Amino acid sequence: DAKTTQPTSMDCAEGRAANLPCNHSTISGNEYVYWYRQIHSQGPQYIIHGLKNNETNEMASLIITEDRKSSTLILPHATLRDTAVYYCIVSPGNNNAGNMLTFGGGTRLMVKP
Amino acid sequence: GAGVSQSPRYKVAKRGQDVALRCDPISGHVSLFWYQQALGQGPEFLTYFQNEAQLDKSGLPSDRFFAERPEGSVSTLKIQRTQQEDSAVYLCASSSREAGRRNTIYFGEGSWLTVV
Repeated sequence: DAKTTQPTSMDCAEGRAANLPCNHSTISGNEYVYWYRQIHSQGPQYIIHGLKNNETNEMASLIITEDRKSSTLILPHATLRDTAVYYCIVSPGNNNAGNMLTFGGGTRLMVKP
Repeated sequence: GAGVSQSPRYKVAKRGQDVALRCDPISGHVSLFWYQQALGQGPEFLTYFQNEAQLDKSGLPSDRFFAERPEGSVSTLKIQRTQQEDSAVYLCASSSREAGRRNTIYFGEGSWLTVV
């Protein structure tokens, strides 16, 4: 079972920041928060991950609350190509366990012109 | 190419037919995963290899599903006597092991299987 809760869908205006929330209240101390997205007809694409500190890369920023029970993925300037399903996943982050990525339903982000 | 490659991209099989789906992971990646994704749902784990060893096959739905990776690189997912409920996208993913770093998993585009 997925350990995260995300809104089913969200809209965002093109050029605006998209803020995607995720609740993971049962996260363990050794579990990372991963974000993947899946554009229609493609495989999931890695976006970013973090443990407890905020992270930023060329695609997005990840803000994790101090208690680590929730996080927010931020796409600073959403484009139409960012329309996709976004998955928030918690995982120990090592390959000793085969099922290291348990996908839930994700958030369907629709970026509108 | 530099990414995970899967073939065939699309496959239509008659019910009862056997199918084989191939995955070429990123060169040098020792971990390989298979996932199944039904329409409108998130991917679900099937099985996991570390090099040629199949360390986890807990997600395989039945004994009709079989996966192998004999030389620790290319992997094949075989489905025997296909049934309509096997219709799904089959995703392959790979990751490297780098000491002291988290391992990102990279996915292929998937093989779309339709059983008629």
